[in-house]
Amino acid sequence: KAGVTQTPRYLIKTRGQQVTLSCSPISGHRSVSWYQQTPGQGLQFLFEYFSETQRNKGNFPGRFSGRQFSNSRSEMNVSTLELGDSALYLCASRPGLSSTDTQYFGPGTRLTVL
Amino acid sequence: AQKITQTQPGMFVQEKEAVTLDCTYDTSDQSYGLFWYKQPSSGEMIFLIYQGSYDEQNATEGRYSLNFQKARKSANLVISASQLGDSAMYFCASRTGGYNKLIFGAGTRLAVHP
Repeated sequence: KAGVTQTPRYLIKTRGQQVTLSCSPISGHRSVSWYQQTPGQGLQFLFEYFSETQRNKGNFPGRFSGRQFSNSRSEMNVSTLELGDSALYLCASRPGLSSTDTQYFGPGTRLTVL
Repeated sequence: AQKITQTQPGMFVQEKEAVTLDCTYDTSDQSYGLFWYKQPSSGEMIFLIYQGSYDEQNATEGRYSLNFQKARKSANLVISASQLGDSAMYFCASRTGGYNKLIFGAGTRLAVHP
């Protein structure tokens, strides 16, 4: 079974631009979560989608948004990029919403904001 | 609120020896899951092992085992017969039934020396 895929793997943007990251979950997984990883803040939860609905949200400004499509693929958008948005963005999928479900991660998208 | 504490920023071990990575968690929920992930320098988070709060036996997966001490709220990862490829960051994470999002510790960087 194919794993979680993320595109693109690397991105370089400038301040003020916007960016869209894409994530395809493992086949059959209906939940997709997004995380931001930085050296200073570690791994922080952004949001989780299940059946095209946002189920959970972390403490990030409204510039960070996401959506999920009917095939469970998800996109994350960051508008008006700031230098502090430079990070590794990880997507993870799991079958459902059970607390015992294991999340499987993709390889990440490394975003650099200049 | 959930909190995961990993007190060892860095550890090193000789090849073929065993190593224990510490993790303590803080939750008032009775139902929760504990996870360990490995992150090599490539960035991808690799799932290693899971322990449920109601599991009476310690989880094992190949060379990985989880030393679960519920009363002490600790979930230490034990890697037996370390290999050079085990050099990576290791993250402990938890999810409770109520909160239902994965919360990560700060991680431990493990270096395996030949």
